[in-house]
Amino acid sequence: DAKTTQPPSMDCAEGRAANLPCNHSTISGNEYVYWYRQIHSQGPQYIIHGLKNNETNEMASLIITEDRKSSTLILPHATLRDTAVYYCIVRVRNDYKLSFGAGTTVTVRA
Amino acid sequence: ETGVTQSPTHLIKTRGQQVTLRCSSQSGHNTVSWYQQALGQGPQFIFQYYREEENGRGNFPPRFSGLQFPNYSSELNVNALELDDSALYLCASSLEGAARTDTQYFGPGTRLTVL
Repeated sequence: DAKTTQPPSMDCAEGRAANLPCNHSTISGNEYVYWYRQIHSQGPQYIIHGLKNNETNEMASLIITEDRKSSTLILPHATLRDTAVYYCIVRVRNDYKLSFGAGTTVTVRA
Repeated sequence: ETGVTQSPTHLIKTRGQQVTLRCSSQSGHNTVSWYQQALGQGPQFIFQYYREEENGRGNFPPRFSGLQFPNYSSELNVNALELDDSALYLCASSLEGAARTDTQYFGPGTRLTVL
């Protein structure tokens, strides 16, 4: 019952912005968009989440379209340490679980 | 602020044995969720504990059980281990309740190998 669609992989150049797309065309009004990433063999790391407004923190920016059917995670200046699997998850705020899909494997190249 | 910790980091067991994995939640958090991640797949939700009771459960058999203690730490117990139980087991903590933030923060995981 995957609620999000992400490209399986993408490459980006070190120092450039990385734009990671996510489609969530069936998102409900009370569902948030969460992003996590997982560096090889480590636990997932929380990045950012949002409901309908764009959000920014020290790690990334989240741009959600006006119809909320898609979003983009932006890593402003990718480094080699940003190489990871990135997961886009839609979740009702008080739902007890996170439903992970396959994610996008992002490789940052020097 | 102390992050989520898990022990042990690696574990090898034999089919049919029982295993206990441990998790200490991030300071200030009162809820613990457990996930199983098979090789090459995304994490799958096992269950969540809040106020020392199971608060929700994924599609896992009863031989997967858990506990939460008054200090909010938690254990995951798996009985009658099967080869397919080989995975990375992840614990995540969050703050639920009136002052909820409910963003889940993950520990480093325990790698379980069943032979």
